[in-house]
Amino acid sequence: GAGVSQSPRYKVAKRGQDVALRCDPISGHVSLFWYQQALGQGPEFLTYFQNEAQLDKSGLPSDRFFAERPEGSVSTLKIQRTQQEDSAVYLCASSPRGYRRDTGELFFGEGSRLTVL
Amino acid sequence: GQNIDQPTEMTATEGAIVQINCTYQTSGFNGLFWYQQHAGEAPTFLSYNVLDGLEEKGRFSSFLSRSKGYSYLLLKELQMKDSASYLCAVYPGGYNKLIFGAGTRLAVHP
Repeated sequence: GAGVSQSPRYKVAKRGQDVALRCDPISGHVSLFWYQQALGQGPEFLTYFQNEAQLDKSGLPSDRFFAERPEGSVSTLKIQRTQQEDSAVYLCASSPRGYRRDTGELFFGEGSRLTVL
Repeated sequence: GQNIDQPTEMTATEGAIVQINCTYQTSGFNGLFWYQQHAGEAPTFLSYNVLDGLEEKGRFSSFLSRSKGYSYLLLKELQMKDSASYLCAVYPGGYNKLIFGAGTRLAVHP
């Protein structure tokens, strides 16, 4: 597609439910990032993929968060046993090149807004 | 550690000029980005600075001083549609993981 596509745009979950958020990056983009954006805050890094390899997951807040990109294109962020503090917008971003790029420009999707009740 | 500071909110009048400041302290520096984010939408790229000085792009300009750990975004001839959050982000290097500030919410009034 023309841009980064994320689904669902909105998700309401009861505390304790599992959720899965999907990201479809720009075709051919090597790098894929997940960010978490709380209300009124800037995006916080969660994890990074270069093709199918997850090279950095240092930002995942707990072992309830899991991300995968098995074929190097679509990625899924899964949150198990959701808690209220997980309520945020989850942004996916991609970029054409991988390690040691000349610039770090990212192309963002519109995000998935998760509300945990 | 990584620290990026920018004002939380600013207001300005349509047609005026506004400057949004950003200071940073990061482990590594390979460039600084400004993104614009309208409420409920994706951040979109505005500018990129890697060398000291001013980069001008239409109504928007961005300045960088690496020795001072300082950048600003200058918006001229403000329009109502410029009401948005402006995110300062540092690229520390390596793979392109950006470190974002909390954003500055700009409100433009008639």
